[in-house]
Amino acid sequence: DTGVSQDPRHKITKRGQNVTFRCDPISEHNRLYWYRQTLGQGPEFLTYFQNEAQLEKSRLLSDRFSAERPKGSFSTLEIQRTEQGDSAMYLCASSLGGASTDTQYFGPGTRLTVL
Amino acid sequence: DAKTTQPNSMESNEEEPVHLPCNHSTISGTDYIHWYRQLPSQGPEYVIHGLTSNVNNRMASLAIAEDRKSSTLILHRATLRDAAVYYCILRVENTPLVFGKGTRLSVIA
Repeated sequence: DTGVSQDPRHKITKRGQNVTFRCDPISEHNRLYWYRQTLGQGPEFLTYFQNEAQLEKSRLLSDRFSAERPKGSFSTLEIQRTEQGDSAMYLCASSLGGASTDTQYFGPGTRLTVL
Repeated sequence: DAKTTQPNSMESNEEEPVHLPCNHSTISGTDYIHWYRQLPSQGPEYVIHGLTSNVNNRMASLAIAEDRKSSTLILHRATLRDAAVYYCILRVENTPLVFGKGTRLSVIA
């Protein structure tokens, strides 16, 4: 299966610790998106990349959140000094880009629990 | 971001057609209408999208009102596997998706 993959699938951490999530997009997809989803809500956009360029990061929830896509392939999302309010599902999606409108393909998500 | 309004929940019997409505009265000329769905414990998946004309694919049909202020996602024969949250999203070109709360569809055997 060559869909979007995310690692880890689950992460439990203590408040104040740093965590890093990885997303591997579909091969040859130029765009990569990060979303966060809390219980009962739809996914909330955080940031996205066109190849290695980060096109939008103003929606990152605070300066504790950062994302990279160093070689235009996989991406990482880091949360520093985690807080209980960071507990959520973190979703990654990728798309080809380029067309007038394209389809985003989502991974299974990483569920973060901050104790 | 343009807003959409969907019912919180709907129920359907298995093998029956389902019509999921979406209102988007502030839609602009460049907004595409996208539908995604999210099955339990999975990431969202694409269903269908359109601009002005009705669209059909293997999963569903999208009926768009002539004034584009509303649309309806049609599942022709609901199965238990179609139980999910369905999101109606307005999107300009390849901008990030802006999800609302969607409609939770329950399918009864």
